[in-house]
Amino acid sequence: AQKVTQAQTEISVVEKEDVTLDCVYETRDTTYYLFWYKQPPSGELVFLIRRNSFDEQNEISGRYSWNFQKSTSSFNFTITASQVVDSAVYFCALSGANTGNQFYFGTGTSLTVIP
Amino acid sequence: GAVVSQHPSWVICKSGTSVKIECRSLDFQATTMFWYRQFPKQSLMLMATSNEGSKATYEQGVEKDKFLINHASLTLSTLTVTSAHPEDSSFYICSARDRTALGYEQYFGPGTRLTVT
Repeated sequence: AQKVTQAQTEISVVEKEDVTLDCVYETRDTTYYLFWYKQPPSGELVFLIRRNSFDEQNEISGRYSWNFQKSTSSFNFTITASQVVDSAVYFCALSGANTGNQFYFGTGTSLTVIP
Repeated sequence: GAVVSQHPSWVICKSGTSVKIECRSLDFQATTMFWYRQFPKQSLMLMATSNEGSKATYEQGVEKDKFLINHASLTLSTLTVTSAHPEDSSFYICSARDRTALGYEQYFGPGTRLTVT
């Protein structure tokens, strides 16, 4: 079974603080892909990152960084020096090669950055 | 980059009427498109998988006679909500898989907000 768990429903931080959004996944596929999307109030999903199961290297993109650990089935997302524009709902998603590459989304984490 | 459009971006209809939502891949061909529904403050739930030239595959609990999906070409899939009711009010998002890319290359449309009065 494919499942993505985002235990943090809502997070509030003060601007310039760092924040980490947690994502834990379950899959039986050996080949799978993990994603993070940002959904601002407009509703349109904004693609942030894709990581395949064979690449456990952490990635940094500006203020964003991702920590992928297969040993704990986690793919956490950290925003450094948060800004008000980071306020949005963030979704972690899983896509497995053996399930038609269907996307399984977590329940999302609503991030509010307070100025 | 790959772009998926949806039309309309928002629609208000009266209870009992039908409404059609279009999903287009603008610069690539999509053999497979997916339709999702998102209620306020909830996650995206897959409704159906649409394959060009064949019948759509619906997820459990989704009424195929109520949510008609047609994928008539490699760039267009439509979702028709028939006899809409207020409980069908939701945000509908489509995604398209690029036929030339690996399976994980899916691109999401901007969504359509449906309000049934």
